Amino acid sequence: DTAVSQTPKYLVTQMGNDKSIKCEQNLGHDTMYWYKQDSKKFLKIMFSYNNKELIINETVPNRFSPKSPDKAHLNLHINSLELGDSAVYFCASSQDLVVGHEQYFGPGTRLTVT
Amino acid sequence: SQKIEQNSEALNIQEGKTATLTCNYTNYSPAYLQWYRQDPGRGPVFLLLIRENEKEKRKERLKVTFDTTLKQSLFHITASQPADSATYLCALGGDFNKFYFGSGTKLNVKP
Repeated sequence: DTAVSQTPKYLVTQMGNDKSIKCEQNLGHDTMYWYKQDSKKFLKIMFSYNNKELIINETVPNRFSPKSPDKAHLNLHINSLELGDSAVYFCASSQDLVVGHEQYFGPGTRLTVT
Repeated sequence: SQKIEQNSEALNIQEGKTATLTCNYTNYSPAYLQWYRQDPGRGPVFLLLIRENEKEKRKERLKVTFDTTLKQSLFHITASQPADSATYLCALGGDFNKFYFGSGTKLNVKP
């Protein structure tokens, strides 16, 4: 069974479009995250949710809107896509917010904006 | 803001040798430091965690050290194998389990 799953795996779209990436975890974890990994391989935190409540909101354009319908799901919606949004987006989860608890990552969604 | 540096050049070693990867950081005092492995096209996988009051942690062939004075962590893989070839990321832990990741060092273990 996949612990953290994301769909789609690949997403190719044009500038200006709106797209969503879905994430689900079956680990029973309370906390979920979205990360962006750019071409230089830096993995940067974007958002985290704990029991559907927004905890971390880094300096991310408000074109990015996370939504957590329940604690097992954290989706990422992106409006008005730009070339600079091209990256690999990873969803992750951890047991809770206790510092040090390992994070389990999904397989990633490679977004290409043309 | 915090800065995390990992050697961007790939580390090439012969099978059976010990691989040593370095993670240096500035402008931050993490309570925890974690190491992850990332294979191409996959998400990072957790390997080890070390707390600020721990000097060293071991798990099978893996060893991590954490020097808060030098602001440095070393990650060692002993008796390396070609299957150990991957990119290794260090991550500094902060409040709310927020982690800051380095860009990783690619390890190539040649048979």
